[in-house]
Amino acid sequence: TQLLEQSPQFLSIQEGENLTVYCNSSSVFSSLQWYRQEPGEGPVLLVTVVTGGEVKKLKRLTFQFGDARKDSSLHITAAQPGDTGLYLCAGEGRDDYKLSFGAGTTVTVRA
Amino acid sequence: SQTIHQWPATLVQPVGSPLSLECTVEGTSNPNLYWYRQAAGRGLQLLFYSVGIGQISSEVPQNLSASRPQDRQFILSSKKLLLSDSGFYLCAWSDGGTADTQYFGPGTRLTVL
Repeated sequence: TQLLEQSPQFLSIQEGENLTVYCNSSSVFSSLQWYRQEPGEGPVLLVTVVTGGEVKKLKRLTFQFGDARKDSSLHITAAQPGDTGLYLCAGEGRDDYKLSFGAGTTVTVRA
Repeated sequence: SQTIHQWPATLVQPVGSPLSLECTVEGTSNPNLYWYRQAAGRGLQLLFYSVGIGQISSEVPQNLSASRPQDRQFILSSKKLLLSDSGFYLCAWSDGGTADTQYFGPGTRLTVL
């Protein structure tokens, strides 16, 4: 099982500030996904990145997949209270049907 | 479009009682199906996955079992629950494509007393 480490574990910022969440591993992944989860609900997919060096933008969210496909980052610009949640990264192994999940980053955006 | 259902949404069971959680997927055929358990506010632990009817792979030895009696139905069971089985259980599906994105159900909160 590939290990994904997310940092920081917790992040609390004021509305309007920027934030970055990191997802790192020593393993290479075929693809990497970012999810956001609210309490009591299932994770909701935000993005899937497949190509090393790929950058995807989703409104105020920017996702980057490392050139070596071992790490990824999620950057939120001008955070809003609606961005509050648990952000999870997950990597797909090369030879199986499984995802390895990071432990998550809990983001709180204060109004 | 595809949808995934889980029930029940919440469950409170005594220690030693049996368990059956159900997950069904609509709008796709021959999906890969997954059961995860999540500790409060943390990442997901893969329990079981299935690539077809009757095919179950177990990731973690434990007090639970899974079955896939139909193509789009995945069941998580236990004969005797333990306190440590409490948690948030999530079912997910994927189509097994190159980028194996998984889509999650709403989850079941299980409390064992």
